[in-house]
Amino acid sequence: EAGVAQSPRYKIIEKRQSVAFWCNPISGHATLYWYQQILGQGPKLLIQFQNNGVVDDSQLPKDRFSAERLKGVDSTLKIQPAKLEDSAVYLCASRAAGLTTDTQYFGPGTRLTVL
Amino acid sequence: DAKTTQPPSMDCAEGRAANLPCNHSTISGNEYVYWYRQIHSQGPQYIIHGLKNNETNEMASLIITEDRNSSTLILPHATLRDTAVYYCIVRVSPSGGSYIPTFGRGTSLIVHP
Repeated sequence: EAGVAQSPRYKIIEKRQSVAFWCNPISGHATLYWYQQILGQGPKLLIQFQNNGVVDDSQLPKDRFSAERLKGVDSTLKIQPAKLEDSAVYLCASRAAGLTTDTQYFGPGTRLTVL
Repeated sequence: DAKTTQPPSMDCAEGRAANLPCNHSTISGNEYVYWYRQIHSQGPQYIIHGLKNNETNEMASLIITEDRNSSTLILPHATLRDTAVYYCIVRVSPSGGSYIPTFGRGTSLIVHP
């Protein structure tokens, strides 16, 4: 079974530039999550999708961050414009539908450096 | 979700058992205990979860106290590849309503030769 795929793995941009990350979850997984992990901290949830609908985006800085999952499969997370404090690893995770427990499968992450 | 407390770091000799504690004294009756680990430069990996009973799988064992205020993740024969940050999380079943998955800082386990 293929895991969660993310690209790119690394990205370096200057502040005020835009950047986009892509995630392809495990086939058949209805729930998709985007996390931000700042160095030395645990992952922080940014947004959670159930199929193509948003379940929770309360911790997403909506003035600069946006995410979509148009067909309920892969997803993109965008930052526009980026700030220095956005430097972090952006993790995507997915979970199968119908489970009564919360086993998430994570991708390798995209490491973003904002200069 | 209930808050968890874990020691920031631990070390263990290779081949010995690693016992990672987690305190979750505010846990509710419908909250599960989950453990994930994150090896350097990788995404977190699910290890095990439990509600009340002790659990064991091919990766680890989970011991939950009778009052459910704390738990211990046991890696029975730690290897160098078990060096990682281990996260203890408590959360309700997804079918029980919405929640925000929350990872703390976890425990950095170093397995040495």
